Amino acid sequence: QVQLQESGPGLVKPSETLSLTCTVSGGSVSSGSSYWSWIRQPPGKGLEWIGYVYYSGGTNYNPSLKSRVTISVDTSKNQFSLKLRSVTAADTAVYYCARADYDISEALDYWGQGTLVTVSS
Amino acid sequence: QSALTQPPSVSGSPGQSVTISCTGTSSDVGSYNRVSWYQQPPGTAPKLMIYEVSNRPSGVPDRFSGSKSGNTASLTISGLQAEDEADYYCSSYTSSSTWVFGGGTKLTVL
Repeated sequence: QVQLQESGPGLVKPSETLSLTCTVSGGSVSSGSSYWSWIRQPPGKGLEWIGYVYYSGGTNYNPSLKSRVTISVDTSKNQFSLKLRSVTAADTAVYYCARADYDISEALDYWGQGTLVTVSS
Repeated sequence: QSALTQPPSVSGSPGQSVTISCTGTSSDVGSYNRVSWYQQPPGTAPKLMIYEVSNRPSGVPDRFSGSKSGNTASLTISGLQAEDEADYYCSSYTSSSTWVFGGGTKLTVL
């Protein structure tokens, strides 16, 4: 059973960089059939796909966030990370990490519990 | 990329059936059989219920079914139960090789 756990600061100042890490257990980020993903959900609103990273380091991002986002993978720690630069209050959201499984057309079959990040001075 | 269109809310009584629609365009839902559905009870992470339009992951009751016609995908829940009350989101692959979610639908079991 794959488990994912997000970690990182719960409060980020405007214009700074939001940084989160997702630790994977029960599975490997080096798996060739998995894409390691980030999704966010502003309070009271819907889900937004941020992007994903493959074990090789290849990435795919939401065009609306692409200029500010970097997703990377650390196979030695079995982790992957999200960096979102120049944040504003509009980036306040619960951030989820998840696994997209290639074998089921990249559906998101395992999710972390989510972590709330608030952007405020 | 614009969010897929879902009704804000649907409701039904226990035992009844409800259908949630998810309307996209020829650049996403209409062109790919890569539509997924997620269930999100309040305060919890989403759970995959349907992938590739109509396939259920192991452990998802067969009361949940999916279909697609043209640019619109649908999730049908039959034999409605109180535990089905949650928000439901659809998601589709797009011609830009990215993913887009629907705005979500709140299901109320009366």
